[in-house]
Amino acid sequence: DAKTTQPTSMDCAEGRAANLPCNHSTISGNEYVYWYRQIHSQGPQYIIHGLKNNETNEMASLIITEDRKSSTLILPHATLRDTAVYYCIVRVPFGTNAGKSTFGDGTTLTVKP
Amino acid sequence: NAGVTQTPKFRVLKTGQSMTLLCAQDMNHEYMYWYRQDPGMGLRLIHYSVGEGTTAKGEVPDGYNVSRLKKQNFLLGLESAAPSQTSVYFCASSYYRENYGYTFGSGTRLTVV
Repeated sequence: DAKTTQPTSMDCAEGRAANLPCNHSTISGNEYVYWYRQIHSQGPQYIIHGLKNNETNEMASLIITEDRKSSTLILPHATLRDTAVYYCIVRVPFGTNAGKSTFGDGTTLTVKP
Repeated sequence: NAGVTQTPKFRVLKTGQSMTLLCAQDMNHEYMYWYRQDPGMGLRLIHYSVGEGTTAKGEVPDGYNVSRLKKQNFLLGLESAAPSQTSVYFCASSYYRENYGYTFGSGTRLTVV
């Protein structure tokens, strides 16, 4: 299973874009990249996922490099409520290996006024 | 639609006691997972299930057992609790298709004294 590497912490000014990087250099061809965030001690919340194409939804954008070895989560206009721990994981979403996904320690994003 | 419900939310156990944590989902998800999260750390996979009647070990299965007798329920058991099992336990579920991420419960905070 591919592991991910993320910076421990990042700061972002309110209203600016937050760009959170993730390295997954050992990702295999059938593994997707998923992003979650955890606010305080709540259960993690799904944000976005992708396989090889860039993706966008109402919460964020996901940019995956062509070689799929890294990705960036973009929060286009960060607010104070986006302060959270952000996790990048890689996962095969179906089949008997669907459960094997590891959450690293994530990136603590602090949005400052 | 309640999503993923974990019972209980808080529990204090004495060393050597046993207990069962219940996870229930009403979304007809095929896959279910148990994670633990220690202070300041990411989530580690304990056990998971890809369907009713099936379970598999995750990263840190020792000291825990699980059962999935019904599709909507996933039980996590501690046979003889130890202080090292003091943690927050999260349950998650997902569909088998790639278009869905995990839905997490709100967690069970367990203290073993």
